[in-house]
Amino acid sequence: EAGVVQSPRYKIIEKKQPVAFWCNPISGHNTLYWYRQNLGQGPELLIRYENEEAVDDSQLPKDRFSAERLKGVDSTLKIQPAELGDSAVYLCASSLRDTQYFGPGTRLTVL
Amino acid sequence: SQELEQSPQSLIVQEGKNLTINCTSSKTLYGLYWYKQKYGEGLIFLMMLQKGGEEKSHEKITAKLDEKKQQSSLHITASQPSHAGIYLCGADKGGLDDMRFGAGTRLTVKP
Repeated sequence: EAGVVQSPRYKIIEKKQPVAFWCNPISGHNTLYWYRQNLGQGPELLIRYENEEAVDDSQLPKDRFSAERLKGVDSTLKIQPAELGDSAVYLCASSLRDTQYFGPGTRLTVL
Repeated sequence: SQELEQSPQSLIVQEGKNLTINCTSSKTLYGLYWYKQKYGEGLIFLMMLQKGGEEKSHEKITAKLDEKKQQSSLHITASQPSHAGIYLCGADKGGLDDMRFGAGTRLTVKP
């Protein structure tokens, strides 16, 4: 069974530029998460989806971040415009019941 | 919110030695998860503990949740270079809501 797929794996952009990350969860997993992981820290939840509904986006900086999960499967996380402090690894995870499965992440570097 | 403290922050052991990593919570743990992360990769699920006093093992890795459900330990027996990586504990309030992670313990195993 394929795991959580994320792309791109790496992205380098200049500040003020837009960037988007894509996630394809494990087939059948209704819940999808986006996390941000700063260097030397654990992941921090940005947004959680149940099917296509965002049920927890309290930690998502809504002035520049947006996310969508059309049709309740794939999801896209966007940053516009990016700032230097957005440099981090962005992880996507999905779950069916009691365990989250993580993708490999997208490492974003903002110059 | 629930805070998770991991200790030690980093650990260097000789191959074949045993080691223990601890995760302490500021609140009662309902679901405690252990993950392993290698540099540039996502989190790999190891084990989940829910009941006080519960202990689970997988190959040479054993995790315990103490009776009071505020601390968990991860023990590796006869460590190997393949055990190297960052070990993260995560906790939720039950049902994967509001998942929080510790900062991680970086393990190096010297051949």
